[in-house]
Amino acid sequence: GQQVMQIPQYQHVQEGEDFTTYCNSSTTLSNIQWYKQRPGGHPVFLIQLVKSGEVKKQKRLTFQFGEAKKNSSLHITATQTTDVGTYFCAGPNAGNMLTFGGGTRLMVKP
Amino acid sequence: GAGVSQSPSNKVTEKGKDVELRCDPISGHTALYWYRQSLGQGLEFLIYFQGNSAPDKSGLPSDRFSAERTGGSVSTLTIQRTQQEDSAVYLCASSPNSGLAYTQYFGPGTRLTVL
Repeated sequence: GQQVMQIPQYQHVQEGEDFTTYCNSSTTLSNIQWYKQRPGGHPVFLIQLVKSGEVKKQKRLTFQFGEAKKNSSLHITATQTTDVGTYFCAGPNAGNMLTFGGGTRLMVKP
Repeated sequence: GAGVSQSPSNKVTEKGKDVELRCDPISGHTALYWYRQSLGQGLEFLIYFQGNSAPDKSGLPSDRFSAERTGGSVSTLTIQRTQQEDSAVYLCASSPNSGLAYTQYFGPGTRLTVL
């Protein structure tokens, strides 16, 4: 079945440093979605990418969808303590559901 | 508008007892999902309801787990004869039938502790 992998699993950064998490799917995706889960909270939808090679920005967050629509990345510029949390990517599978990656847990040292 | 709600927010039970967890999806959302999340781990899919179709139960870990969705709205996840390894946060999510395809809106979760 479809697999969605994320690396790294954990990342510690100093506040102000950049951060990137990578998402790879075993199958071509119609779209890729990103969610953020704050510590003690629940996943919250951030963004959806649909087009091959698409790049979207939300303030300091830059999301990319690969040309082959099998991979994606989330880059955060100049991290802040408010960026702490786990970032999940997810892609639709044949069963009309989302397959979630394992998540990347970001920790920011002030 | 109101988001996905879940109750109770916390549940402590003794091993061997049955528990029921409730999810109220966003009004009008046809799809409803249950996930389990152990501490520091990812999202483990449990079950999926879409409209009036038969649910996808492929993620249920054992026959002690079951779920219902009444009237296409509220859902109840039941765990019978709870075990300590059932301790986790149980998350419910709902999804509209249109708009951003398959985007899921999560509830705050129920933290289950089995003593």
